[in-house]
Amino acid sequence: AQSVTQLGSHVSVSEGALVLLRCNYSSSVPPYLFWYVQYPNQGLQLLLKYTSAATLVKGINGFEAEFKKSETSFHLTKPSAHMSDAAEYFCAVSTGKLIFGQGTTLQVKP
Amino acid sequence: DAGVIQSPRHEVTEMGQEVTLRCKPISGHDYLFWYRQTMMRGLELLIYFNNNVPIDDSGMPEDRFSAKMPNASFSTLKIQPSEPRDSAVYFCASSFPAGQWANTEAFFGQGTRLTVV
Repeated sequence: AQSVTQLGSHVSVSEGALVLLRCNYSSSVPPYLFWYVQYPNQGLQLLLKYTSAATLVKGINGFEAEFKKSETSFHLTKPSAHMSDAAEYFCAVSTGKLIFGQGTTLQVKP
Repeated sequence: DAGVIQSPRHEVTEMGQEVTLRCKPISGHDYLFWYRQTMMRGLELLIYFNNNVPIDDSGMPEDRFSAKMPNASFSTLKIQPSEPRDSAVYFCASSFPAGQWANTEAFFGQGTRLTVV
């Protein structure tokens, strides 16, 4: 069965600093991996997805993620945090049904 | 398209009452998912449908929960009787297969915040 683990339920960075949100997956077959973002009182929206075409995936709002099979990781990064990036971020894996990690709340300090 | 539409946005009900949550997926999408979000358990997949047929309901917590999809444009999630521990945000999402459906993103509704008192 597939699963994802997000390391760190809360991450705090200063505005302009690097954002790194960690995700490790477990899957018995090649997975499809996703990052979603959730703003307060809203549904989830897709940031980016990995579908085996390229290991470095670029998404919206300057985010990107790198698929590393040897590390079973799919960490999300952004070079420079903006206040508007404050939200909850979810890593998800799909091999037939979409399973989410526990989420990481990103706080951006001015 | 207006996106995935859920109703109501908020529901407050008394323990023991029946609760029905509604979802209209994006037109043309033939996969529909129901998720429950709580602080303790995060986002849990309850059930999903393909072409109106339930494919996997292993996430449905108890027999008090039931879901139907009578046609391609409408689904319901019913809780009868409701209990305080059912309080959560319930999300509906839909997607369409592009080759393998597993690599297709799911589009989420705004959610229904259910409070059972």
